[in-house]
Amino acid sequence: EPEVTQTPSHQVTQMGQEVILRCVPISNHLYFYWYRQILGQKVEFLVSFYNNEISEKSEIFDDQFSVERPDGSNFTLKIRSTKLEDSAMYFCASSEGGGRITEAFFGQGTRLTVV
Amino acid sequence: GESVGLHLPTLSVQEGDNSIINCAYSNSASDYFIWYKQESGKGPQFIIDIRSNMDKRQGQRVTVLLNKTVKHLSLQIAATQPGDSAVYFCAESLDKVIFGPGTSLSVIP
Repeated sequence: EPEVTQTPSHQVTQMGQEVILRCVPISNHLYFYWYRQILGQKVEFLVSFYNNEISEKSEIFDDQFSVERPDGSNFTLKIRSTKLEDSAMYFCASSEGGGRITEAFFGQGTRLTVV
Repeated sequence: GESVGLHLPTLSVQEGDNSIINCAYSNSASDYFIWYKQESGKGPQFIIDIRSNMDKRQGQRVTVLLNKTVKHLSLQIAATQPGDSAVYFCAESLDKVIFGPGTSLSVIP
């Protein structure tokens, strides 16, 4: 069964460092998303991406964040200068037809710990 | 604004009993809803979805009910098993998925 894969599963970084979280969406999907979940809290939307550009972003997704689809398979989230409060689980998701049409499938997440 | 919320943050049920998890939404324009299950340390997993032209949809051991009049969703799990222990999120699926706060289901053996 096709699935969204994320690497690494756990990333520890020092405050102020840059991190890149990687995702391989399901191959025939066209819509890509990043979410985050602070421990014990709900899953929060960060950004959606379609046709090689950001289609929507939340207020959490400030100038420290960026996304890229560098090739035909990877979808990355970069945090330029990490802060302690960036510590969270980050989930990548993809959908075939967009949120109103088809369900989004989520990866297993990357646990980011900023120290 | 858009919001999806859950009535009960925690639910404990005996193994074999039925579970009911409730959810309210506020956006009348929402027309597609999804229930996700999240086990510890894992990502949200799709369980079942329903569109606003339906009021009930059944899957394997799960049923979702939608009441558009009062903007209420519920997830029913029949014969709850230990493997059903997880956090359950209802979500509106618009241009993006909007999650509610989650209900933690614990199954007592």
